[in-house]
Amino acid sequence: SAVISQKPSRDICQRGTSLTIQCQVDSQVTMMFWYRQQPGQSLTLIATANQGSEATYESGFVIDKFPISRPNLTFSTLTVSNMSPEDSSIYLCSVGQNYEQYFGPGTRLTVT
Amino acid sequence: AQTVTQSQPEMSVQEAETVTLSCTYDTSESDYYLFWYKQPPSRQMILVIRQEAYKQQNATENRFSVNFQKAAKSFSLKISDSQLGDAAMYFCAYRSPGSARQLTFGSGTQLTVLP
Repeated sequence: SAVISQKPSRDICQRGTSLTIQCQVDSQVTMMFWYRQQPGQSLTLIATANQGSEATYESGFVIDKFPISRPNLTFSTLTVSNMSPEDSSIYLCSVGQNYEQYFGPGTRLTVT
Repeated sequence: AQTVTQSQPEMSVQEAETVTLSCTYDTSESDYYLFWYKQPPSRQMILVIRQEAYKQQNATENRFSVNFQKAAKSFSLKISDSQLGDAAMYFCAYRSPGSARQLTFGSGTQLTVLP
């Protein structure tokens, strides 16, 4: 199974600032996914990131707010821009491999 | 679009007993994958079990088994001999065919295991 790491594991940020979350996978994967989990809620897909192309965003999420980079087959970043308290969530990176999907440990973001 | 429904926000079970978590889904696809994930307080999402829709046999992983009813679009998880470490949020998830597709999650069921 894929091993996924995320940095930072948690952060407390001021409103109006931006935070970039890194996701590293121990093997090459075609697609990487970014999910958001708001407090006490389920996971919602933000976007799908392919290497070498623009990320595909789900309804309600836009590139200006959540820019994503995918420079190679093992790494991706998600930036949460111009943060507000409503962005306080856990952000999870995920990859699909061998018909299963694996998750990173998540980044807990608190915006004050 | 597919939807996944978990109608039990909370469940509790006595240690060593059996508990069943319910999940229903809606799809027009004939081939797909269903998953149960466990999320303990550490927030790490842990894959518990997977079921391919084309397989009639219910998946089993040690103390975890599913009851997959394709016609009814039902996918319940049975945990036998419950242990304190089973306490977590459990999410049912759906995925369309293909090896690299996103998951659609249910709202989750918080399982408490009573000593």
